Amino acid sequence: DVKVTQSSRYLVKRTGEKVFLECVQDMDHENMFWYRQDPGLGLRLIYFSYDVKMKEKGDIPEGYSVSREKKERFSLILESASTNQTSMYLCASSLGQTQYFGPGTRLLVL
Amino acid sequence: GIQVEQSPPDLILQEGANSTLRCNFSDSVNNLQWFHQNPWGQLINLFYIPSGTKQNGRLSATTVATERYSLLYISSSQTTDSGVYFCAVEQADNQGGKLIFGQGTELSVKP
Repeated sequence: DVKVTQSSRYLVKRTGEKVFLECVQDMDHENMFWYRQDPGLGLRLIYFSYDVKMKEKGDIPEGYSVSREKKERFSLILESASTNQTSMYLCASSLGQTQYFGPGTRLLVL
Repeated sequence: GIQVEQSPPDLILQEGANSTLRCNFSDSVNNLQWFHQNPWGQLINLFYIPSGTKQNGRLSATTVATERYSLLYISSSQTTDSGVYFCAVEQADNQGGKLIFGQGTELSVKP
């Protein structure tokens, strides 16, 4: 069975904190993605990666960075969290056309 | 960039009813997927359907690529069908599986 896991389901952080969101897949997929989901805006792509140590900006990369040191792990980093980064964060992976999603992390920045 | 529009934005059904959800896209695509997001936030892939028709149980989907739309049919709806349905496309000249999502159709099935 396909499995994508995210480190936390719910997270509360303060403005200015550095935040790490971790995503792990066990399917040996090459492609991994980070999205955020906001009411009325659907899912928007933040960053994606085709391979280890490779990263590409998505549609809304500002305020975020990523790290992919191992094939199975893709981390999203908020260098200095702000209240407008309160959102649902979804990680996905794919080998071909189909993307498989993790359960999501609901982040609240106070 | 490519635009993806879904309709209707909201839908309320009585259990047992049928429904059709629509996805229009503004450019040629080489990938189209339908997803269901359950009330707990988990997104599940329903169909990979850049063209043609597929069926899986009570769900079926049709994509007419030349006319740039896709339809998702839900028959004999159940309360577990509730949630948000997303259409997502990959533009034909894109590489690497980057998907653009529509804003979704929120379905509520009442018992």
